[in-house]
Amino acid sequence: KQEVTQIPAALSVPEGENLVLNCSFTDSAIYNLQWFRQDPGKGLTSLLLIQSSQREQTSGRLNASLDKSSGRSTLYIAASQPGDSATYLCAASRNQGGKLIFGQGTELSVKP
Amino acid sequence: ETGVTQTPRHLVMGMTNKKSLKCEQHLGHNAMYWYKQSAKKPLELMFVYSLEERVENNSVPSRFSPECPNSSHLFLHLHTLQPEDSALYLCASSQAMGAGAYGYTFGSGTRLTVV
Repeated sequence: KQEVTQIPAALSVPEGENLVLNCSFTDSAIYNLQWFRQDPGKGLTSLLLIQSSQREQTSGRLNASLDKSSGRSTLYIAASQPGDSATYLCAASRNQGGKLIFGQGTELSVKP
Repeated sequence: ETGVTQTPRHLVMGMTNKKSLKCEQHLGHNAMYWYKQSAKKPLELMFVYSLEERVENNSVPSRFSPECPNSSHLFLHLHTLQPEDSALYLCASSQAMGAGAYGYTFGSGTRLTVV
């Protein structure tokens, strides 16, 4: 049974810092891994999708990596801004169209 | 908007009421999902529909009844709910079959309060 864990649960940093959010999963037989952002009381916004055959994906200041052998993914945020404050969720899928298993999320606060 | 639209955005209902949540996607996806998000808990999968067929029911109580009349629409019918059912209900869609590395697209959710 797949379990997804995110560390830390909460993170507070000053504006401009580079930061790394961690996601680990117990079953390496994943189809893809997706990072989402959730603002308070809102739905999920997809940030990056990494297929199992890929090692990383980049979008603007965001970079996500995937290491299936160690069961880890990281989300790197460069030059953080107050607008990056949100909860970041990672989720793994075992097959195309299959269910996503979510971590508990990391609540990020970027202070001006 | 993400391409997945959920209505209503907020819903307050009594325990004896019957209501329905609606989800609509215009992305051409053929799989749709209901997730429940309670405070301080990970998102929980409730139902999966693939090609309009329910392929997963994640031990959800019968007071929640899903309906998928076509690949673009998904409903969650609610009746005799309990206060602990108060949560954010999120709908998502994806491409279940065929080529492409599509991820999941989520709606903005329905905030449900049971009184």
